[in-house]
Amino acid sequence: DADVTQTPRNRITKTGKRIMLECSQTKGHDRMYWYRQDPGLGLRLIYYSFDVKDINKGEISDGYSVSRQAQAKFSLSLESAIPNQTALYFCATSDHGQGDYGYTFGSGTRLTVV
Amino acid sequence: GESVGLHLPTLSVQEGDNSIINCAYSNSASDYFIWYKQESGKGPQFIIDIRSNMDKRQGQRVTVLLNKTVKHLSLQIAATQPGDSAVYFCAETNNAGGTSYGKLTFGQGTILTVHP
Repeated sequence: DADVTQTPRNRITKTGKRIMLECSQTKGHDRMYWYRQDPGLGLRLIYYSFDVKDINKGEISDGYSVSRQAQAKFSLSLESAIPNQTALYFCATSDHGQGDYGYTFGSGTRLTVV
Repeated sequence: GESVGLHLPTLSVQEGDNSIINCAYSNSASDYFIWYKQESGKGPQFIIDIRSNMDKRQGQRVTVLLNKTVKHLSLQIAATQPGDSAVYFCAETNNAGGTSYGKLTFGQGTILTVHP
């Protein structure tokens, strides 16, 4: 089983619909992140959480919300999807405590808003 | 704001050649750098990292060089193989302290294509 699991892998939704992307991890990491990837723009941070009671906005949080239901679960919601939210979304985790800041990424969710 | 960027968006090499992928960063406070490899349809995977108190670090077939004077980072891949074809990202974090420490900023990525 993957260390970081994202569901769904692919999703097509209509403009104005609410959609939730889910992420779960088995690494026991405290920190979880949601990134968006667009062609030529690299990875941009949407939201991040350093523990269950901590939620922080990233550089492109408008139009998104998150919920950290447990240490292992971090979900991303689009309350009213719009076409320019069509992108590849990645969840990642890290364990800052060991001094290794490398992230473990999920396989991504490809979201298309029509 | 601070950013991390790449000089070359694409790089094509022949199998067996050595590859060099470059990255420039602008935050002089950056103290930890990571290279990631992203294959088609997959999430980025950790390749190698380096801290700012080092100039060079070697892994298996990969070497990362850090030049703090000019804020430049490079990834060298020896004897490049077709399986190395992917997008490569550099990422950095700075010791701003508090909760921002450990939050990575990613560059745009370089597409490496290895021809047999």
